[in-house]
Amino acid sequence: QKEVEQNSGPLSVPEGAIASLNCTYSDRGSQSFFWYRQYSGKSPELIMSIYSNGDKEDGRFTAQLNKASQYVSLLIRDSQPSDSATYLCAVKTSYDKVIFGPGTSLSVIP
Amino acid sequence: NAGVTQTPKFRILKIGQSMTLQCTQDMNHNYMYWYRQDPGMGLKLIYYSVGAGITDKGEVPNGYNVSRSTTEDFPLRLELAAPSQTSVYFCASSPGSETQYFGPGTRLLVL
Repeated sequence: QKEVEQNSGPLSVPEGAIASLNCTYSDRGSQSFFWYRQYSGKSPELIMSIYSNGDKEDGRFTAQLNKASQYVSLLIRDSQPSDSATYLCAVKTSYDKVIFGPGTSLSVIP
Repeated sequence: NAGVTQTPKFRILKIGQSMTLQCTQDMNHNYMYWYRQDPGMGLKLIYYSVGAGITDKGEVPNGYNVSRSTTEDFPLRLELAAPSQTSVYFCASSPGSETQYFGPGTRLLVL
């Protein structure tokens, strides 16, 4: 079992729609969870971090964490063409490693 | 603050050559990480360090070595370069449980 998995893409949504990105992880001792956005040829940049169960909202972005199900998600409301990028889920494991998922490519169609 | 800096930006190596990728951070972060990213893929952890003098293997450590003699620097050494090591290498630092700060990356081509 891979340590961090994400829903396979690419994902296409129309402008203004909600984009839903999912991530599961294997280490039950993990405590810190991150969503990064990466544009082609650029470094990853942090969108959201979440540490406790429930929802965390920041503008158009909402991260959801369910530790019992070992599941993290990211919702992007009112998607914009500028949101088109690869979204990376990252998990800090109980061994202090930060492991990334394979990424989900999102395209927002005008 | 410069944040995380990486040198070189781009390098071409011949098979069997060696090189060191440099990474420096000026944020006094204890945690530092090296990742590689192949085209269209996520980041794979090569090595990481939780403080000066402490390093540990990540997911794909074979063919690489690291050292952490100071808080600021975390160089990655490639011995006997192979075409499979063609990739983009990212260095990152973190104060702890919080987010990582990434450098701009080093593109490496092994021919």
